[in-house]
Amino acid sequence: EDKVVQSPLSLVVHEGDTVTLNCSYEVTNFRSLLWYKQEKKAPTFLFMLTSSGIEKKSGRLSSILDKKELFSILNITATQTGDSAVYLCAVGQTSGSRLTFGEGTQLTVNP
Amino acid sequence: GAVVSQHPSWVICKSGTSVKIECRSLDFQATTMFWYRQFPKQSLMLMATSNEGSKATYEQGVEKDKFLINHASLTLSTLTVTSAHPEDSSFYICSAREPRTDNSPLHFGNGTRLTVT
Repeated sequence: EDKVVQSPLSLVVHEGDTVTLNCSYEVTNFRSLLWYKQEKKAPTFLFMLTSSGIEKKSGRLSSILDKKELFSILNITATQTGDSAVYLCAVGQTSGSRLTFGEGTQLTVNP
Repeated sequence: GAVVSQHPSWVICKSGTSVKIECRSLDFQATTMFWYRQFPKQSLMLMATSNEGSKATYEQGVEKDKFLINHASLTLSTLTVTSAHPEDSSFYICSAREPRTDNSPLHFGNGTRLTVT
């Protein structure tokens, strides 16, 4: 059975802290790993990773994939209250376009 | 950028009635759309894959007679929750992928909050 596991499930930090969110996966025919940020409504796309060892970066957010160890991390530096959200990791497979989502990490950044 | 529009954003209905949710791709054609359900503090669960011009593919445990999916055009998929019950109350989200490449990310609609009383 395909599985995506995120940790921690919940995280509370203070503004300015750096956080690392984890995502491990076991899926057949891996194609890509995606990170989404979900606030009140639907998820918004952050990163898509397909190759090991290549860091994707966007402002204070960065992510990297390890296809050998089957995991990815999402880093957020100098966190702000606006970073508070659920961060979802999803894995896409070569067969079709479906995504398997992890449970998400609820990040709360306190001022 | 690509936009997926979902309507309505929220709906309250009485038990036993049916509710239709629309998902539109606004600036691209989507031969495939996906319907997810999300319960509070839980992740997105894929319900079904909507295929333009053919039958939807349902995930295990999802009742196809209860959650009717119609993908009549390349820009519109609808999900109808038939004979809704309180346990169907949930957040329903649709998504679609731009057809530019096989590996482009999914874009999500803003979701529909369904409350069945």
